[in-house]
Amino acid sequence: EPEVTQTPSHQVTQMGQEVILRCVPISNHLYFYWYRQILGQKVEFLVSFYNNEISEKSEIFDDQFSVERPDGSNFTLKIRSTKLEDSAMYFCASTGTGINYEQYFGPGTRLTVT
Amino acid sequence: AQSVTQPDIHITVSEGASLELRCNYSYGATPYLFWYVQSPGQGLQLLLKYFSGDTLVQGIKGFEAEFKRSQSSFNLRKPSVHWSDAAEYFCAGGTDSWGKLQFGAGTQVVVTP
Repeated sequence: EPEVTQTPSHQVTQMGQEVILRCVPISNHLYFYWYRQILGQKVEFLVSFYNNEISEKSEIFDDQFSVERPDGSNFTLKIRSTKLEDSAMYFCASTGTGINYEQYFGPGTRLTVT
Repeated sequence: AQSVTQPDIHITVSEGASLELRCNYSYGATPYLFWYVQSPGQGLQLLLKYFSGDTLVQGIKGFEAEFKRSQSSFNLRKPSVHWSDAAEYFCAGGTDSWGKLQFGAGTQVVVTP
């Protein structure tokens, strides 16, 4: 069964550093998403991406965040200057088109900012 | 505002007993509703989904959920819980199948022998 993959599984970085989280969505999917889950809290939507542009973003997704689909398979989330409060599990998801598709989630990247 | 609420933060259930997890939603129109399960250190696995039609939805691992418009609820049930069902369960809703999902706070399920 096709699945969403994410790398790395765990990233440790120092405050102020840039990080890039990588995702490979399911190959025939066209909508891509990033969510995050701070430890002990609910999963929160960050951004959705379709047709090479952001279709929706949350208040969390400020100028420090960016997304990119650099090639036909990868979907990346970049945090330019990490803060302690960016420490969270980041989930990538993708879905196909049509009316009855669900979002498939990757295993997540645990980001720890020290 | 659109939201999904899971009233129970933590539920303890004996192995073999039945389980019901509550989920309430607040949307202007009938939302797309989902239940996901997250085992420790793992990602989110879809258990079942409701888009329209039959209000009783069957999912994987023996789970089912019932959509009740009158109660704005989408509760998850399992007749007989197994130790492997210990996990965190998230209810999520959206206004279409490609838009953002809004998650409830999650319910941690502990299964005792």
